[in-house]
Amino acid sequence: DARVTQTPRHKVTEMGQEVTMRCQPILGHNTVFWYRQTMMQGLELLAYFRNRAPLDDSGMPKDRFSAEMPDATLATLKIQPSEPRDSAVYFCASGLGPSYEQYFGPGTRLTVT
Amino acid sequence: RKEVEQDPGPFNVPEGATVAFNCTYSNSASQSFFWYRQDCRKEPKLLMSVYSSGNEDGRFTAQLNRASQYISLLIRDSKLSDSATYLCVVPGRGAGSYQLTFGKGTKLSVIP
Repeated sequence: DARVTQTPRHKVTEMGQEVTMRCQPILGHNTVFWYRQTMMQGLELLAYFRNRAPLDDSGMPKDRFSAEMPDATLATLKIQPSEPRDSAVYFCASGLGPSYEQYFGPGTRLTVT
Repeated sequence: RKEVEQDPGPFNVPEGATVAFNCTYSNSASQSFFWYRQDCRKEPKLLMSVYSSGNEDGRFTAQLNRASQYISLLIRDSKLSDSATYLCVVPGRGAGSYQLTFGKGTKLSVIP
């Protein structure tokens, strides 16, 4: 049963620290998405990739967030420096392309104190 | 009109009841739609895809009204296990857009 994996599942850090979240998409999926979910905003798209190339990262605060896909099996989302307002659940999802459903990983629950 | 809009609920219904959720969308070019289900502290999971006028899967029926730009989800014979948040999802702007836009969800609680 193929699934998206994410690490770490939980992260507590202090303001100003760097946070790196990792995602392994489903093998064969060519699109990878990073979302952030909070109670107030719901699911927000931060960035997405197709065939490892970034297509859109307009949802990310550029000064502190960065997203990369060093290879087809790994996507990373980095926050440096982290701030308390970054506390949220970060989901990675993968899919087969336009108009296709996306499959979500279990998420990384980030708390910045 | 917002890209995707849902009634946040909560909907509290007894077991066995029929419940319906509506969702409106603004992008008239959208071709495919989805309903996702999200349990508390879990990831969203695909419930149903809606590619034409509607789709049925057991107790769940999704309908699409392109003229009025809304999608509905009907759950018949509600079970306790149906308690979750249901997210309406539409493609982003532009044909072939890779993005999906998620509604904020409708919370359903099925009561014994």
